[in-house]
Parts: sequence; structure tokens; C-alpha cells
Amino acid sequence: DIQMTQSPSFVSASVGDRVTITCRASQSISSWLAWYQQKPGRAPKLLIYAASNLPGGVPSRFSGSGSGTDFTLTISSLQPEDFATYYCQQANSFLLWTFGEGTRVEIK
Amino acid sequence: EVHLVESGGDLVQPGGSLGLSCAASGFNFSIYSMNWIRQAPGKGLEWISYISSSSKTIYYADSVKGRFTISRDNAKNSLYLQMSSLRVEDTAVYYCARGGGFGDYGAYYFDYWGQGTLVTVSS
Repeated sequence: DIQMTQSPSFVSASVGDRVTITCRASQSISSWLAWYQQKPGRAPKLLIYAASNLPGGVPSRFSGSGSGTDFTLTISSLQPEDFATYYCQQANSFLLWTFGEGTRVEIK
Repeated sequence: EVHLVESGGDLVQPGGSLGLSCAASGFNFSIYSMNWIRQAPGKGLEWISYISSSSKTIYYADSVKGRFTISRDNAKNSLYLQMSSLRVEDTAVYYCARGGGFGDYGAYYFDYWGQGTLVTVSS
């Protein structure tokens, strides 16, 4: 199985801050990576697919980049509704799917 | 609007069995593959099972292989998970999730999720 390693595991940030979360795959997954946002007590929500594409309705302050083994999720200006846990997922359809351990973004 | 609603979660003893259901609406269920993904209390996400639109292809994570069975009924727009030989470590919120590649054959994402149903395995 491909292992997904996220860092940091916890971020303390203020409204308006720029936040960057990284995800590293144990082997190359091309651009087949997704990011999900999960708020407490809620189901995860697809935030980014194909490493850098935003589904409809996702605010443009979210962006993703990377390919191969190293990926980044950036929130350009943190908003109150963005405090949540973020997970990356390797999305290679020819392999079984795995998630990173999660990064919790909390209010400083 | 896409809706996925899980049901069937309960408290069950180790070694017991339980069946979960997921009712789908708001999209053509019969053309989408579906999945079960779980989350243990305070932990991350674990994909556990996949079923293709026609039920011809099924995958399981090693952690549940041989104990869990995924199935679907396209006429009823429903997805199921039959769990047996349950263990304490199976305690989790179980989500059903729709899958797809957004047109990329090589990719597979979970684009809609239900709200989850809690399974507690304890004596």
C-alpha cells in the first residue's frame, strides 16, 4: 500500500493567516491526489482533486499543488469557517486508496 | 442535490454481526461506484470497501477482508455493508461515499459522503 504522510499534524493560526499543509506519498502517484476538509461531527468534504483542481463551490482561497510524491494544500487567507481537519488521499484508481493522518487547523 | 444517508449503526458485542445501509438520492445511483469508509473515534479515515456500478468488481481493505461484505441494489438506490466477526477495533463511524474520477481514468476520488453511522463493538 502507498503510505501518505502529512505535516504538520497540528497548526495554530489566526484569521487572515496563510496556511500551508504538506502531504508526501511513499511512491509516485502522478497528480492523483485529493484533499478533504472535515469539520467536527461532520462528514469529510472534497476540497481539491487531481492535486490542484477545485470542485464547484470551493472558495478560491484554497489551492493545491504538486505531483509525484510531494503535494501542498494552501489556504491563502484563513477564514473562521476553515478551522477543521484536512486529509490528503492518494487517488490512483489502480491501487487501494489511503489517506494521510490529517492536519488539524485551530484558532490561535 | 446528492444525498447519502447511512443507517444501521448500533452497539454490538465482539464476534457479533451487523448490517449497514446507505440510501442514495439526487443522482443516477446505478452508474456510480460506491464505497464504505470508516473513522475510529478521534482517528483518521480508512477506506474499507468498493463496489462497481454493476457489482461486478468488489475490493476490500485487508483489515476487513473475509469478515465484511459489500453489496448494492440499484433498483432501490441502496448500498449495504454486512459485517461479521466484529472486533473492538471495528468501532468507528461508517460513511458511504460516492466515487469517481472526474473524467480521468487513472484517478478515483470520493466526491459525496453521507453523514455516517456509528458502530460500537464492546462487551
